[in-house]
Amino acid sequence: NAGVTQTPKFQVLKTGQSMTLQCAQDMNHNSMYWYRQDPGMGLRLIYYSASEGTTDKGEVPNGYNVSRLNKREFSLRLESAAPSQTSVYFCASRRTTGTANEKLFFGSGTQLSVL
Amino acid sequence: RKEVEQDPGPFNVPEGATVAFNCTYSNSASQSFFWYRQDCRKEPKLLMSVYSSGNEDGRFTAQLNRASQYISLLIRDSKLSDSATYLCVVRLMFSGGYNKLIFGAGTRLAVHP
Repeated sequence: NAGVTQTPKFQVLKTGQSMTLQCAQDMNHNSMYWYRQDPGMGLRLIYYSASEGTTDKGEVPNGYNVSRLNKREFSLRLESAAPSQTSVYFCASRRTTGTANEKLFFGSGTQLSVL
Repeated sequence: RKEVEQDPGPFNVPEGATVAFNCTYSNSASQSFFWYRQDCRKEPKLLMSVYSSGNEDGRFTAQLNRASQYISLLIRDSKLSDSATYLCVVRLMFSGGYNKLIFGAGTRLAVHP
């Protein structure tokens, strides 16, 4: 049982390049999330998917797109990377059966640098 | 003003010490509260939920003060392995079932021999 698997772990891009961060969970969770973490700031939600087939913007969606390919997979795409997108990205999932205290399971993170 | 505020630390304590962190939140409609632990360059992991009556898990005690809008985490008998960043997390519930998690920036704890 791998939990949440996120790839790649590290990536360096030049300004303007595009890339997709992959995320998959094997826990049959309904909800999946993409966060970014910057020094001195809490994790900020980029996009989320409450269930298969739906996606919604979070707090900081500009410059990103997402795809909920199926129940397991939720990818994050940077179409034209900018230095401001240098950050650590975390994918997360949650079961969401209505219990407010269900915990988030995080992937191991992607450290992205945009030069 | 940040929605969830934490002292960034670092808190440098010797093994065996008792250490406490506070976290304040600004939205009085906050419904659920959590402490997550994040090791250096790793993903956050849930340490414990925080219940209205306060709760304890081994050496860890969490308290909630709704009137003053803060939560606390107390660690007794600190271990070297407790060195990490502790994230305060608040869940806001909205009509229609939508809910939002707000993460604090974290408090760093360093336990030394």
